[in-house]
Amino acid sequence: DVKVTQSSRYLVKRTGEKVFLECVQDMDHENMFWYRQDPGLGLRLIYFSYDVKMKEKGDIPEGYSVSREKKERFSLILESASTNQTSMYLCASSLDPSGKNIQYFGAGTRLSVL
Amino acid sequence: DAKTTQPTSMDCAEGRAANLPCNHSTISGNEYVYWYRQIHSQGPQYIIHGLKNNETNEMASLIITEDRKSSTLILPHATLRDTAVYYCIVRPHYGGSQGNLIFGKGTKLSVKP
Repeated sequence: DVKVTQSSRYLVKRTGEKVFLECVQDMDHENMFWYRQDPGLGLRLIYFSYDVKMKEKGDIPEGYSVSREKKERFSLILESASTNQTSMYLCASSLDPSGKNIQYFGAGTRLSVL
Repeated sequence: DAKTTQPTSMDCAEGRAANLPCNHSTISGNEYVYWYRQIHSQGPQYIIHGLKNNETNEMASLIITEDRKSSTLILPHATLRDTAVYYCIVRPHYGGSQGNLIFGKGTKLSVKP
């Protein structure tokens, strides 16, 4: 089975802190994604990556950056956390950029910024 | 631009078939229909996808109308563990920015004993 692991289920941070959310997949997938999920707004794509060291902005990249130094790991960085970044963060991976668009998701990290 | 319309909520009795409809009247020729579900406090889970033929796997069946403007996800024998929000998504069958999944509000399915 494909496994996408997010490093934390729950995080509490203070405004202005730098926050790292880590995601690891064990199936050698090419593509990785970071979404945030908020009530009434559904899932919104923050950033995605099709290869090591490659990244593209999604729909709401402001206030976030990402890092993909190794194929299996995709990190989401909040440079200076703000209260409006309190949300559920979901990482996903998929196999083939030209193939099936089936994404496998982690369990999510619920981040609270105080 | 979710491009799909689903009922907000549905109930189903345990052991009965759950039939979840989705309208996608503006679907283009290269777009597939994907279904995902999200159980409370978990990440979304892929269920099934199809282009124009009906599809079946170990989790569900997908029935797509001949004009492709609507589809139905069928859970043949719903269990309490199938209680979740079900998302119908229409996207091309490849990656890249055009292939990114866009989740709408979905249908909250409640399976009752």
